[in-house]
Amino acid sequence: GEEVAQTPKHLVRGEGQKAKLYCAPIKGHSYVFWYQQVLKNEFKFLISFQNENVFDETGMPKERFSAKCLPNSPCSLEIQATKLEDSAVYFCASSQGGTNEKLFFGSGTQLSVL
Amino acid sequence: QQQVKQSPQSLIVQKGGISIINCAYENTAFDYFPWYQQFPGKGPALLIAIRPDVSEKKEGRFTISFNKSAKQFSLHIMDSQPGDSATYFCAGHSGSARQLTFGSGTQLTVLP
Repeated sequence: GEEVAQTPKHLVRGEGQKAKLYCAPIKGHSYVFWYQQVLKNEFKFLISFQNENVFDETGMPKERFSAKCLPNSPCSLEIQATKLEDSAVYFCASSQGGTNEKLFFGSGTQLSVL
Repeated sequence: QQQVKQSPQSLIVQKGGISIINCAYENTAFDYFPWYQQFPGKGPALLIAIRPDVSEKKEGRFTISFNKSAKQFSLHIMDSQPGDSATYFCAGHSGSARQLTFGSGTQLTVLP
């Protein structure tokens, strides 16, 4: 498609429950990025993929967060045993790759951990 | 080393006025400096971007001024309109990391 599609738009979880977010990048884009936006301000980089391979995972809290981008499936970001501080908007972005740095963002998933 | 500092945090401008948002960076490996515009409930959208070998880039009412020696860049919005009311984020892109480092955002309000 011509836009990055993220689902669901909103997700509510009790503390300790699992949360799974999905992202369909723009067709033909090789790179996928996940960012966490807290309090409508700071964007924190989490992880990036080049096709189905992890490109950079330096931002991932590895003990509870995991992500995948499998062929012919939406990419996913999973949070095991959610904590209150995980409440944020999670944005997915994609780019063509190569020398094209332009990132296209989805509309985000608002995760509320109660 | 990766930080991008953005100011002001919020800005109120009258319709027709000039909005100016400033950013400073530390990482000299940044090779691309985009500005993103974000409306409530939406993801950020690329507004305009500049590479460090250029001192100024203009697209319509939006201009980026870039000072490589000072490691600073700014966004100027001429003839600001109420529809420009949004949060603006500057960013630095590291080619090797293929990653954007965002500033903390500026909430712009343009009064009618």
